[in-house]
Amino acid sequence: QVQLVQSGSELRKPGASVKVSCRASGYTFTSYPMNWVRQAPGQGLEWMGWINTYTGNPTYAQGFTGRFVFSLDTSVSTAYLQISSLKAEDTAVYYCTRVGSGSKWYFDLWGRGTLVTVSS
Amino acid sequence: QSVLTQPPSVSGAPGQRVTISCTGSSSNIGAGYDVHWYQQLPGTAPKLLIYGNSNRPSGVPDRFSGSKSGTSASLAISGLQAEDEADYYCQSYDSSLSGSVFGGGTKLTVL
Repeated sequence: QVQLVQSGSELRKPGASVKVSCRASGYTFTSYPMNWVRQAPGQGLEWMGWINTYTGNPTYAQGFTGRFVFSLDTSVSTAYLQISSLKAEDTAVYYCTRVGSGSKWYFDLWGRGTLVTVSS
Repeated sequence: QSVLTQPPSVSGAPGQRVTISCTGSSSNIGAGYDVHWYQQLPGTAPKLLIYGNSNRPSGVPDRFSGSKSGTSASLAISGLQAEDEADYYCQSYDSSLSGSVFGGGTKLTVL
């Protein structure tokens, strides 16, 4: 079954770090770029960037540089999003999503999302 | 403020047809980049609805259709059903930002 399985909800204090995982199954992991999308409570979708699953090269959207790191472990077909120095405004659902076609860059497969709550 | 502009809300009665607009600029839709649409039901992850301006993935009813012209795109939903009540997002690529961009989202209410 083609799917992306994300790790469970996380609660962190301000200043801490969190690492969200996204495990792919049912397809060749390294053949499809992986993207990350943030959705703050009651807000819209915000593209965070993507990682080339073949080379491991990450690209970050404006506003997601510095504290955000995309990484991979291709041996277990898993992508990771690490956020450091967490702030209250990082509270959101984070989705991993696969690019369906390299030429058109649409997102055809989504994880269920991981809720990260930052609160003291 | 989103790069792609969508109306915050639209509504329609069951059986009616509604359209959702997505307005961009010369650095995204107007530059020829494709527009894609997603449906997000309450409490769930987004789902691809339309890709490449007007193509439906397998399993998406033909009640959903997409079009693009100039710097704008539209999603049309005909024969509205209660289950269509959701948030809808457009997405494209922006050359100035060198990355993907989403519209702010439109909440569809079925009256």
